[in-house]
Amino acid sequence: GDSVTQMEGPVTLSEEAFLTINCTYTATGYPSLFWYVQYPGEGLQLLLKATKADDKGSNKGFEATYRKETTSFHLEKGSVQVSDSAVYFCALMSGGYNKLIFGAGTRLAVHP
Amino acid sequence: DTAVSQTPKYLVTQMGNDKSIKCEQNLGHDTMYWYKQDSKKFLKIMFSYNNKELIINETVPNRFSPKSPDKAHLNLHINSLELGDSAVYFCASSQDWTSARAGELFFGEGSRLTVL
Repeated sequence: GDSVTQMEGPVTLSEEAFLTINCTYTATGYPSLFWYVQYPGEGLQLLLKATKADDKGSNKGFEATYRKETTSFHLEKGSVQVSDSAVYFCALMSGGYNKLIFGAGTRLAVHP
Repeated sequence: DTAVSQTPKYLVTQMGNDKSIKCEQNLGHDTMYWYKQDSKKFLKIMFSYNNKELIINETVPNRFSPKSPDKAHLNLHINSLELGDSAVYFCASSQDWTSARAGELFFGEGSRLTVL
């Protein structure tokens, strides 16, 4: 079945460092891809999305490009802040049933 | 004004008890969901309703029964609680599940259930 694999965390960075969180997927058809973020004690929020190959989603300085050839949707940010500390979830929307399938989440901790 | 609100936020109860979690959304969305997040933060969909009709029912024990009295509300009732039911339960909503924005979910803050 469809699935999402994310790099294991935690990822620990200093402020202003470059961030990459890897995400790869397995899906039949052409899924839409998403990144969600969960701040401590809160529900998930949509961060960005891409609906077709080569689309780039971006929001709040974060970017991810839908790469069909490598079935990847890696999240990047050029300069992280302490306020970016959270758990990041990669997800795909399965075309057949239109349900979101999440990866295991990657915890990011940014230190001053 | 909270978009997706769940009550209660915390629930501590004994094994064998029955409990309910309520969810309401004021976004005018047609589709609502229940997700379970375990202690390792893994999120798994449980149920989805579209305009009061069940459209997704994952392999969830029969002890879990969702109810949608109208498209703005989705409640979750759990019978005979077990230790393994301890988790955070998230309600979410989206526009109609067949729309281009179906994957854009709005989540509540979660209800942390602890079964002793």
